[in-house]
Amino acid sequence: ETGVTQTPRHLVMGMTNKKSLKCEQHLGHNAMYWYKQSAKKPLELMFVYNFKEQTENNSVPSRFSPECPNSSHLFLHLHTLQPEDSALYLCASSQDRAGIWGGRARDTQYFGPGTRLTVL
Amino acid sequence: EDQVTQSPEALRLQEGESSSLNCSYTVSGLRGLFWYRQDPGKGPEFLFTLYSAGEEKEKERLKATLTKKESFLHITAPKPEDSATYLCAVQAGGQNFVFGPGTRLSVLP
Repeated sequence: ETGVTQTPRHLVMGMTNKKSLKCEQHLGHNAMYWYKQSAKKPLELMFVYNFKEQTENNSVPSRFSPECPNSSHLFLHLHTLQPEDSALYLCASSQDRAGIWGGRARDTQYFGPGTRLTVL
Repeated sequence: EDQVTQSPEALRLQEGESSSLNCSYTVSGLRGLFWYRQDPGKGPEFLFTLYSAGEEKEKERLKATLTKKESFLHITAPKPEDSATYLCAVQAGGQNFVFGPGTRLSVLP
């Protein structure tokens, strides 16, 4: 596997279910991100992790719970979601967290294929 | 507040008909401007990064340019396989990416 992978690619869940999204990056990067992409809206940053530490939570509801056990893996745990949470969830990684080390080329984010989530 | 707008929202071209997509931004202290291509149901694919006004980058039929207020993505003699949504993102110093809404490009054979 190369690049950034995400599983599952599609997920349908009820409002009372609990599920998890998984992201794995094979690029040797230190920073990982979760984004939400809804129809006709720009990508919305949800969470940022740098060296396994969460550095940003962009006012995301607590029904979304991220986990980053190491620099290569990122999870998004979902529980009691709402229909408006249906969207494409994208994972990305970059060499470093934006601006930390000064080398601008290290900021470039590379995205996975996404998980299409439908909440019934 | 950092803002990114893209125009047009959608663009239909005939194969071989060159055109440009626009990304306008307001940000304090631009660190980088990024162009991505996104196919339906897939994640964004990185195309270019531009760092300073006057900079240009090229890849096949695509050429990205940057001024102090906007960036253009020029598409020369496009082919149907260039059909996709093109996303622009800006990054201020030490900050997160701010994405524009995208331009949906359709190239007809």
